[in-house]
Amino acid sequence: DAGVIQSPRHEVTEMGQEVTLRCKPISGHNSLFWYRQTMMRGLELLIYFNNNVPIDDSGMPEDRFSAKMPNASFSTLKIQPSEPRDSAVYFCASSFLGQNQPQHFGDGTRLSIL
Amino acid sequence: GESVGLHLPTLSVQEGDNSIINCAYSNSASDYFIWYKQESGKGPQFIIDIRSNMDKRQGQRVTVLLNKTVKHLSLQIAATQPGDSAVYFCAENMRENGSGGSNYKLTFGKGTLLTVNP
Repeated sequence: DAGVIQSPRHEVTEMGQEVTLRCKPISGHNSLFWYRQTMMRGLELLIYFNNNVPIDDSGMPEDRFSAKMPNASFSTLKIQPSEPRDSAVYFCASSFLGQNQPQHFGDGTRLSIL
Repeated sequence: GESVGLHLPTLSVQEGDNSIINCAYSNSASDYFIWYKQESGKGPQFIIDIRSNMDKRQGQRVTVLLNKTVKHLSLQIAATQPGDSAVYFCAENMRENGSGGSNYKLTFGKGTLLTVNP
């Protein structure tokens, strides 16, 4: 079975550039989550969607970060302009909506901003 | 704010021994807990979950124990193997009340690195 698919797996770019991370959730799942993982802060929830609608974006660090979910099978996380401190691994996860539903993670995008 | 934390950041065991990874949570309203395993270069992988109306749940070589009195969660791995070496995270499911009803999100602990020595 196809799991959560993220692209690209690795991204290296210079500061100031726009970065777009992509996620395809597991088919049938209707909740989608974006996380950022760093050694210093661990795994942080950035934003999540239920039925393609953003529910809680309180974890989005700054206005430079934005996320969209135009349909049930695709979501993007965009950083514009990027800064070196944005360097991290970004994970997407999906689940069925509701209580007691485990989230399933993709293998992440390792982002390096030079 | 309330958070999930781990007692031990690292754990080293001999192959074949049993491993116990501990986790403390502080939100008494949390009603669902999950253990994840993360290997290098990969995303967290679901291992086992438990609802708050249970105190023990068993899977293949893994057992999760929940003590709601002291807000403690543990993961036991039987006959630990080299392939079990990874970072293990506990996560608690928290409910948010919104205009559309209840929404749920996970809060993760900082992780425990398990190293299995041959």
